[in-house]
Amino acid sequence: SYVLTQPPSVSVAPGQTATITCGGNNLRGKSVHWYRQRPGQAPVMVVFDDRDRPSGIPDRLSGSKSGNTATLTIIRVEAGDEADYYCHVWDSTNDQPIFGGGTQLTVL
Amino acid sequence: QVQLVESGGGLVKPGGSLRLSCTVSGFSFSDYYMIWIRQAPGKGLEWVSYISSSSSYTSYADSVKGRFTVSRDNAKNSLYLEMNSLTAEDTAVYYCARDPEVTAFFDYWGQGTQVTVSS
Repeated sequence: SYVLTQPPSVSVAPGQTATITCGGNNLRGKSVHWYRQRPGQAPVMVVFDDRDRPSGIPDRLSGSKSGNTATLTIIRVEAGDEADYYCHVWDSTNDQPIFGGGTQLTVL
Repeated sequence: QVQLVESGGGLVKPGGSLRLSCTVSGFSFSDYYMIWIRQAPGKGLEWVSYISSSSSYTSYADSVKGRFTVSRDNAKNSLYLEMNSLTAEDTAVYYCARDPEVTAFFDYWGQGTQVTVSS
């Protein structure tokens, strides 16, 4: 089945830029979505359709995609950005959603 | 505002059954596909099942196929997950979520309900 690969962890100092990647075969043909899950909370969608942000999500968070890699970028990182981040696509071949393994963002 | 509230979780013995509910408000429930997603302790997100707006189409992850049944009652704004033959591997927080564009992304999630399978 389709696989999305994320780095297990990313660390960044406050005020710096965090980059979280999500790789998958033929990703250019799929829409990528991102979710943030703070400790003890439910996931929240932060980016949909590669680069769109839901209302209420600050523009410090942005999504992009190039070739087979999607990227979630967080600029001016704050302590409140510390969370697990998951990428997600729809696997149309098997008609099911696929999640990446998640990336734990640590703010130093 | 949009709200999804899961209930029905708890402690159940291996081989037992449980029925989860997800009651929604703040949107037209009958217009949306809905999905169940679970998260085992310390693990990532795993899709469980989804159902179309009219219940005409359902789908299940291989790990639960034949044991779990998803359903909905649009008149009651409620989504259900009937879980049978539970094993320790089913221990997880179960979330319901809304799919606004049919097999796309999940824009609103409930707070989750804990299911623990243990003797």
